[in-house]
Amino acid sequence: GENVEQHPSTLSVQEGDSAVIKCTYSDSASNYFPWYKQELGKRPQLIIDIRSNVGEKKDQRIAVTLNKTAKHFSLHITETQPEDSAVYFCAARGSNFGNEKLTFGTGTRLTIIP
Amino acid sequence: NAGVTQTPKFQVLKTGQSMTLQCAQDMNHEYMSWYRQDPGMGLRLIHYSVGAGITDQGEVPNGYNVSRSTTEDFPLRLLSAAPSQTSVYFCASSVLLRTTEAFFGQGTRLTVV
Repeated sequence: GENVEQHPSTLSVQEGDSAVIKCTYSDSASNYFPWYKQELGKRPQLIIDIRSNVGEKKDQRIAVTLNKTAKHFSLHITETQPEDSAVYFCAARGSNFGNEKLTFGTGTRLTIIP
Repeated sequence: NAGVTQTPKFQVLKTGQSMTLQCAQDMNHEYMSWYRQDPGMGLRLIHYSVGAGITDQGEVPNGYNVSRSTTEDFPLRLLSAAPSQTSVYFCASSVLLRTTEAFFGQGTRLTVV
C-alpha cells in the first residue's frame, strides 16, 4: 500500500518568513495530493490540493509543488502569520480500486514566532 | 447540509467495556473511513468503506469492527476497550474514485482507563 513520509516533524519560523514542508510517497499510481491544516482541538481541514497532471498550484500565500518523477510534493507558506501556527498533514490517494485509500503523513507542527 | 457528524465528542471507558462511535454524512459520499490520531503518529487508517455493504481494513484494524448498512452511516465498534485505544478518532468521507476533498467529522476523544 501507499506510504507517505513527511518532514520535518516540527518547524519554527519567524513571522514574515517562509515555511516549507516536504512529503514523499511510494505508490506511483497516486494522483491526488491534499494538504490539511489542523488547529488545536479541531478537525483537519483542506487548505490546498494538487492533482498529478499539475506541477504547481498557488492560493494566495500558500503553494504546493509536485515532482511525479521523484514522488515528492511540498507545501510552501510565504509571509507567515501567527494564525498559520498549526499542525499540517500531507496525504496521497489514487482514483482506482485498490489505491482509493487516503494515506496521511505523520504531520508537521508549525510554530510562527512573533 | 451538516457534513460529517460524529458522536460522542468525549468518552471515558473502563478497560473491557465496549462502545460504538457514530459517524453520519449527508453528502451521499461513497467513501467513508475511520482514523485514529496519536501524538507524533499522524492520522492512521483503521477501517474504510467504498459503499454500503463493503468494508476493508486499514493500517491499524485490530480491536475495531465496522459495518456499512447504509450510505450515510459508518459506525466504529470497540469490542473490548484497552488503554492502547486511548486516542482521538476521526471519521472522514469523500466521493469515491475522484480526486476530491475528504471531509472530517469533529472528532471523538476517547480515554480508556
